[in-house]
Amino acid sequence: DAGITQSPRHKVTETGTPVTLRCHQTENHRYMYWYRQDPGHGLRLIHYSYGVKDTDKGEVSDGYSVSRSKTEDFLLTLESATSSQTSVYFCAISKDRHQPQHFGDGTRLSIL
Amino acid sequence: GQQLNQSPQSMFIQEGEDVSMNCTSSSIFNTWLWYKQDPGEGPVLLIALYKAGELTSNGRLTAQFGITRKDSFLNISASIPSDVGIYFCAGFHGSSNTGKLIFGQGTTLQVKP
Repeated sequence: DAGITQSPRHKVTETGTPVTLRCHQTENHRYMYWYRQDPGHGLRLIHYSYGVKDTDKGEVSDGYSVSRSKTEDFLLTLESATSSQTSVYFCAISKDRHQPQHFGDGTRLSIL
Repeated sequence: GQQLNQSPQSMFIQEGEDVSMNCTSSSIFNTWLWYKQDPGEGPVLLIALYKAGELTSNGRLTAQFGITRKDSFLNISASIPSDVGIYFCAGFHGSSNTGKLIFGQGTTLQVKP
C-alpha cells in the first residue's frame, strides 16, 4: 500500500465552523490531490499540488483552500463549513503529472 | 466536467462466473487506469495501461487499452466473493497538460456465493 495517511478518518461538525483535513505521505511524491466523493457524482477534484507551495484549483474548488508547506503534507481547509460539503474526502498522490494516482482511505465529514 | 461512460452500472453474478465491464469516451485518452474500491476504503489501483492495444493482466484480472484510444475493458475471470466492490475506470485525456484524471461513474459488482 502507498504510504498515505489521512486524518481525521471521521469528523462531525456544525455549519459555519472551520475544518482542516490532513494528508500525510511517506513516498516523497511530487503531486498531491484532494477529491470529494458523493453518490451520483463520483470522484471530483477539489485542489491539487505539484510541489511545495505550488497548488491549483480543480473542478469543485469553491469553499475550499489548500496549503502545502512540506512535501509530505497537504492540508484541505473548509473556512466556513456548509451542509453541502458533507462528503467523503480522499487524498491521492502521484510521482508526476501523468502517473497513476494512489489514494488514501478517506475522511468521512458530516456537517450538521 | 468531462466524464467517462462506464458500463454496466451494476452487476450481480454467481461465484465462478466471468465478468466484463468497459469504459468509453468521445475523445482520445493517453492512459487508462482501473481501480477497485471496497466499502469504507479508498480506490486501489488494479491495472495501468499506457499504449493503444495493450493487454495487461493482474492475476484473474485482464484489462485492454482500446485500439481507437477511446475505450478500455476490464475482465475478471472466475469471480470470487472478495471481488465485490466498485470498479472505476480513469484516464488522462489526450490533450491535457494538467494531469487531471477523468473518472468513470463506477461499476458495482456483487457476487453471490
